[in-house]
Amino acid sequence: GESVGLHLPTLSVQEGDNSIINCAYSNSASDYFIWYKQESGKGPQFIIDIRSNMDKRQGQRVTVLLNKTVKHLSLQIAATQPGDSAVYFCAENIGSGGGADGLTFGKGTHLIIQP
Amino acid sequence: SQTIHQWPATLVQPVGSPLSLECTVEGTSNPNLYWYRQAAGRGLQLLFYSVGIGQISSEVPQNLSASRPQDRQFILSSKKLLLSDSGFYLCAWGAYSNQPQHFGDGTRLSIL
Repeated sequence: GESVGLHLPTLSVQEGDNSIINCAYSNSASDYFIWYKQESGKGPQFIIDIRSNMDKRQGQRVTVLLNKTVKHLSLQIAATQPGDSAVYFCAENIGSGGGADGLTFGKGTHLIIQP
Repeated sequence: SQTIHQWPATLVQPVGSPLSLECTVEGTSNPNLYWYRQAAGRGLQLLFYSVGIGQISSEVPQNLSASRPQDRQFILSSKKLLLSDSGFYLCAWGAYSNQPQHFGDGTRLSIL
């Protein structure tokens, strides 16, 4: 059967280096974006979010950048650690002013931290 | 703090059998609730969402249905499973559309 990760882009970085994971979104009406981390066999875990009125938002060791002109989102992880190995998904929400519509997810990137 | 529980964690069912997956949320009231499916090595696909008891919106036509009998309970069902229903099913809750959704640890469903 299929193995998880066969169809996912993979990014391999050395422990301690910085990593950048990219995501392109298609809907120019999207006004809210989230990055999730998913470890094998678990549900996605919220990392950081950003609203469309911002270009950059920082968390602990993570930074999200939003470029609305080219509809591009990136997640930067500083000083990567072995525990950062996971699949990372971006997600967008059109946010129709109070609606509860679910998120639209990207395909995911498999981040591998090399010792 | 809020928590979300899904069970079972793993399920193996024969083709044509019924299905019931349950999800409950604690520590919040009137959450938006969601069911997603994730195929191996893929992103998540939204199946259903609910803004309140008895209110269900379906995103894709399929062999599955959802119900919300209580404020913090969301159930995913099928009367007759198909091979194509195999996958990883995730429940999530959210407070508002422009806030993060929080996921359970999923149910891995295998149809034989």
